[in-house]
Parts: sequence; structure tokens; C-alpha cells
Amino acid sequence: SQQGEEDPQALSIQEGENATMNCSYKTSINNLQWYRQNSGRGLVHLILIRSNEREKHSGRLRVTLDTSKKSSSLLITASRAADTASYFCATDSSNYQLIWGAGTKLIIKP
Amino acid sequence: DTAVSQTPKYLVTQMGNDKSIKCEQNLGHDTMYWYKQDSKKFLKIMFSYNNKELIINETVPNRFSPKSPDKAHLNLHINSLELGDSAVYFCASSQLGGNQPQHFGDGTRLSIL
Repeated sequence: SQQGEEDPQALSIQEGENATMNCSYKTSINNLQWYRQNSGRGLVHLILIRSNEREKHSGRLRVTLDTSKKSSSLLITASRAADTASYFCATDSSNYQLIWGAGTKLIIKP
Repeated sequence: DTAVSQTPKYLVTQMGNDKSIKCEQNLGHDTMYWYKQDSKKFLKIMFSYNNKELIINETVPNRFSPKSPDKAHLNLHINSLELGDSAVYFCASSQLGGNQPQHFGDGTRLSIL
């Protein structure tokens, strides 16, 4: 089942600019994960943020979580061509499965 | 070393045929999953096994049958293939728990003629 909704569905920016993607979800969570999917490849885990955390960094990635608004954002700073991919958020549920968003397609123009 | 490997990468077959997709992980994880990703990139969980026991069995046609001979392998057999089965099927693995990152294979692109 789809719980999350990513926004925007697609994003096209110039190399070097920052990219921000948002994820909204419906039910309370313990944690939220972000994944990247390059064309023709499987998903790759990027970062996990727990419900008691508000912000987390990993390299050029910055994730925020606002549990009162049931939303998260993923910021990629100083984007590169290699960041071109689809990005998905996923939240935990009561029965071990992850609930996935529909993804944001990010295109970095050289 | 490939962490999660699935074969074949591409599968083109006729409607009505039976086919299998194999998945193996060498990460020592105790939980494995099958997902279906449609043309709009929606990712849908199909099955999950933990230590060879089925723990997630979403509403999928019973033409789909998973088999886990051991905790490092999870295969997917599909009977009587239909046009609507065309999609990319992903295998993934993790330790048990919603706070565990999942590791994905590169997918099997199934095309039904």
C-alpha cells in the first residue's frame, strides 16, 4: 500500500543547484527512510531518521522530519549529474513492512 | 561481490507460460522480500520471509508462489502469466524490523507478449 506521497513528482535543476524533495505520510511512524533508484537499478538506502530526530545529515544529504505535519524533506546540496535518479521515502508499519511513497524523479542538467 | 543478486535480469515470455525468478543474498540477513514495481514506479510489497517463514503475504494472485529453501534464497514462481504481470520485480533483504535498511537487487524486467 502507498502511504507516502512525494512532492514534486519530477524535478529538473541545473548542476550545482540544491534539490529539495518532500514526503508526506498518513499514520504515526517510528522512523522514515530515504532511498535512491538509478535508472535500471535497484533501490539504494540513503538515510534513516527516527521519529525523535528532527534533522540528519549524510555528506551532501540533509533530511528533516516534522512529525506534527507528518512530513519529511530530503535536500541534496551542490547537485551533480550522478544525482539524477528517482528518490523514494518509506515509513515503517506495524507488520515489519515498509510503506513506500510514489517517488520523485530528479534530473540534473549539466 | 554482489550483495543481492537476482536472475534473470530480463524475462520475455508468452502469456500463459510459467516462469521463475531466483534471488540470493550474501549479507547474512534473515528477512527477504519480493516487490513489484509498475511502469509508474509504484513499489508494491508482495511477500516477505523471515528465516524461511512467510511473514508478509499481500493480496497477490495465487498464481504467484514464493519459495525460500534457506534464509539466503527467496525464489518467485509465477504460473499462467498474464499481460498485467509485466513489471519489474525486485528482491530485497534486511534484518527484521521496520528500522532496518533494505538492500535491493537490480530487478528482473518481466515482459509478457
